[in-house]
Amino acid sequence: GQSLEQPSEVTAVEGAIVQINCTYQTSGFYGLSWYQQHDGGAPTFLSYNALDGLEETGRFSSFLSRSDSYGYLLLQELQMKDSASYFCAVRAGGYQKVTFGIGTKLQVIP
Amino acid sequence: NAGVTQTPKFRILKIGQSMTLQCTQDMNHNYMYWYRQDPGMGLKLIYYSVGAGITDKGEVPNGYNVSRSTTEDFPLRLELAAPSQTSVYFCASSPPSGYSNQPQHFGDGTRLSIL
Repeated sequence: GQSLEQPSEVTAVEGAIVQINCTYQTSGFYGLSWYQQHDGGAPTFLSYNALDGLEETGRFSSFLSRSDSYGYLLLQELQMKDSASYFCAVRAGGYQKVTFGIGTKLQVIP
Repeated sequence: NAGVTQTPKFRILKIGQSMTLQCTQDMNHNYMYWYRQDPGMGLKLIYYSVGAGITDKGEVPNGYNVSRSTTEDFPLRLELAAPSQTSVYFCASSPPSGYSNQPQHFGDGTRLSIL
């Protein structure tokens, strides 16, 4: 099976940078995804890393190290609207089965 | 494009009742999924489908059934509702394998309470 670990809560100041880590244990690893979910809303896709390295999309970046079974999501120039839960998800096995972590609740404070 | 549409948005059931949660997508995605999310938790995969006529169990399939007669629709059936099935249910779809960023597109969810 697959398992993922990420911090349950993180607090950061508006305008700052925050990093949310994710470690995983899985077989047949294909890639690591990140999703954002605001309270009461649906998850929305942020990024996907299949290869080692950093992927940048605007203020958000995601990093993967396959050898360390580790990844992180980096949020820069934090805004109040970034307050949400962030889930890492592992794509492993066939048929695009994806296993989600329990999520990290990010609170951005003024 | 409407994306992934789920109905109903809210429902209260009595123990032992049955119901079908509807999910339809208009993106011509082959892959579709049903997840449940309990408060403060991540998403757990109930069932998934790789195309019309093909379904398979996820992590937590007990108490649920699915069917996939068309590419667009992937209904989830609860036969005998139990309090443990109180949750938020999300349907999602994704394009076929081969894309480098295979995002799952989620519906807005169905909030189900079993009393």
